[in-house]
Amino acid sequence: GAVVSQHPSRVICKSGTSVKIECRSLDFQATTMFWYRQFPKQSLMLMATSNEGSKATYEQGVEKDKFLINHASLTLSTLTVTSAHPEDSSFYICSESGGGTDTQYFGPGTRLTVL
Amino acid sequence: QKEVEQDPGPLSVPEGAIVSLNCTYSNSAFQYFMWYRQYSRKGPELLMYTYSSGNKEDGRFTAQVDKSSKYISLFIRDSQPSDSATYLCAFRRPGGTSYGKLTFGQGTILTVHP
Repeated sequence: GAVVSQHPSRVICKSGTSVKIECRSLDFQATTMFWYRQFPKQSLMLMATSNEGSKATYEQGVEKDKFLINHASLTLSTLTVTSAHPEDSSFYICSESGGGTDTQYFGPGTRLTVL
Repeated sequence: QKEVEQDPGPLSVPEGAIVSLNCTYSNSAFQYFMWYRQYSRKGPELLMYTYSSGNKEDGRFTAQVDKSSKYISLFIRDSQPSDSATYLCAFRRPGGTSYGKLTFGQGTILTVHP
């Protein structure tokens, strides 16, 4: 399977600041990556699909101006949580399909805590 | 009706037991059927995936799919304490604008005690 890394693994920030999370595909050129959010004891909810060289597509109910996604290269997608608030505290996980489309391989996740 | 239903548990079994994890789904267009294991504070790890009805075996794990009943299962034989985790079923959505996207079950928390 594919190897995906995320940075940072954990971040704590003050309310109103912006936080950038990086997702890297280490062994595949990923034209498409996915960003998920997971609240405690809940399942993964897809936020958006990150497309290399073009705009991301967002799921219904996800604010594109708040969650900025940039996929400037085939190995890197970034998610920026702008003007973060305590309700944005969550576990953010990215994934990519490892060159295929059958399934997805996930990064280790980033735990965001907004004070 | 939710697209995917999964019993959240928690499920607690003794070491060596056979574990059965189940999901039902309503979208007949789902194409690929997956099971992920997620340890606390980690990303999900792909365990099994299949696209056809029937059984698929990998070591102590067997994935079972029944498309006619819209039901999938994961069996774990000879369960170990290291199997203690949350297990998520996942389904790949049909094509078009949803191409490649996954829909997850709620996850079942499993504890295997020595």
